[in-house]
Amino acid sequence: AQSVTQPDIHITVSEGASLELRCNYSYGATPYLFWYVQSPGQGLQLLLKYFSGDTLVQGIKGFEAEFKRSQSSFNLRKPSVHWSDAAEYFCAVGAGNTPLVFGKGTRLSVIA
Amino acid sequence: DGGITQSPKYLFRKEGQNVTLSCEQNLNHDAMYWYRQDPGQGLRLIYYSQIVNDFQKGDIAEGYSVSREKKESFPLTVTSAQKNPTAFYLCASSIDPGGSTGELFFGEGSRLTVL
Repeated sequence: AQSVTQPDIHITVSEGASLELRCNYSYGATPYLFWYVQSPGQGLQLLLKYFSGDTLVQGIKGFEAEFKRSQSSFNLRKPSVHWSDAAEYFCAVGAGNTPLVFGKGTRLSVIA
Repeated sequence: DGGITQSPKYLFRKEGQNVTLSCEQNLNHDAMYWYRQDPGQGLRLIYYSQIVNDFQKGDIAEGYSVSREKKESFPLTVTSAQKNPTAFYLCASSIDPGGSTGELFFGEGSRLTVL
């Protein structure tokens, strides 16, 4: 079965600084990979997804992620963080005919 | 507007009572899901349904029950057998019955507190 690890529970960055959130997955074949964002007390919104092809995928709100098969990683990046990016971020992996498996999330705080 | 509606947003329950959380979608999606979210635990799958009149247990189904009598509705009952029901519950749907390849659309969640 597939699994997802998000090593960082909480990250704090300054507004305008770059951001990288880590995600590692475990699955025998090439999985489907997703990043979701959740604002406090809300549901989740899809930021971006990777199925195949170009390993660098662009998403909404200026986010991008890179699939690295050799490292089993799908890290999320943003060149310049805005205060409104403060939220919780979830990486998820899909495989076969089974529901997505989510990581435990990384909470992002943005300071002035 | 198309989307997923969960109700109620907040719910308080006494120990020993069953409670039902509503989830309705007008996206014409085949698959629907219930997740439980606790601080630091991420999302854990309770039940999912890939088609009307059929549903499957997820990772933490004990103490919960569901039904899928209509395509647009997937209510979750938290029974008195659920030992620690206080949590944030999220309903989602996807056009892909398997769920692994498609985007999940989420409701805004229901927060259940057991007093």
